Amino acid sequence: KAGVTQTPRYLIKTRGQQVTLSCSPISGHRSVSWYQQTPGQGLQFLFEYFSETQRNKGNFPGRFSGRQFSNSRSEMNVSTLELGDSALYLCASSGTGTRGYEQYFGPGTRLTVT
Amino acid sequence: AQSVSQHNHHVILSEAASLELGCNYSYGGTVNLFWYVQYPGQHLQLLLKYFSGDPLVKGIKGFEAEFIKSKFSFNLRKPSVQWSDTAEYFCAVNRRATNKLIFGTGTLLAVQP
Repeated sequence: KAGVTQTPRYLIKTRGQQVTLSCSPISGHRSVSWYQQTPGQGLQFLFEYFSETQRNKGNFPGRFSGRQFSNSRSEMNVSTLELGDSALYLCASSGTGTRGYEQYFGPGTRLTVT
Repeated sequence: AQSVSQHNHHVILSEAASLELGCNYSYGGTVNLFWYVQYPGQHLQLLLKYFSGDPLVKGIKGFEAEFIKSKFSFNLRKPSVQWSDTAEYFCAVNRRATNKLIFGTGTLLAVQP
């Protein structure tokens, strides 16, 4: 079974621009969560989508948004980029039942804001 | 607010030494507990998990962890480490019925051959 895939793997943007990151979950997984990883703040939860609905949300400003499509693929968008948004953005997918709590992570998208 | 503490930020061991990484969480309700590992240049991988039942859980590559409810702890152990265990280890918690994982700050383990 193929793992979680994320595109692009690396991205360089300028402050003030916006960016869209994509995540394809493991086949059959309906939940997709997004995390931000930085050296200073560590791994922080952004939001979770399940069946095209946002189910949980972390403490990030409204510039961070996401969506999920009917095939469970998900995108996250960051508008008006700031230097502090430079980070590794991780996507994780999970299945259903008790295994729904097991999250499987993708390789991440490394975003650099200049 | 829910939080996870990992006491050791950087651990250096020789091969064959025993490993114990501490993890404590703050949340009074029912939780699921996880250890993830990130090998150099690779993505986060699930090492082991605890949902309920036997508090001693075994994971991949000879790792195990013990859930002690009274101490809010979920320490990771391995009797004999190998050079290939060099990685960063993250403890994580989520409340039942949510996929919002709260991570600890991570422990960098370096195993010297």
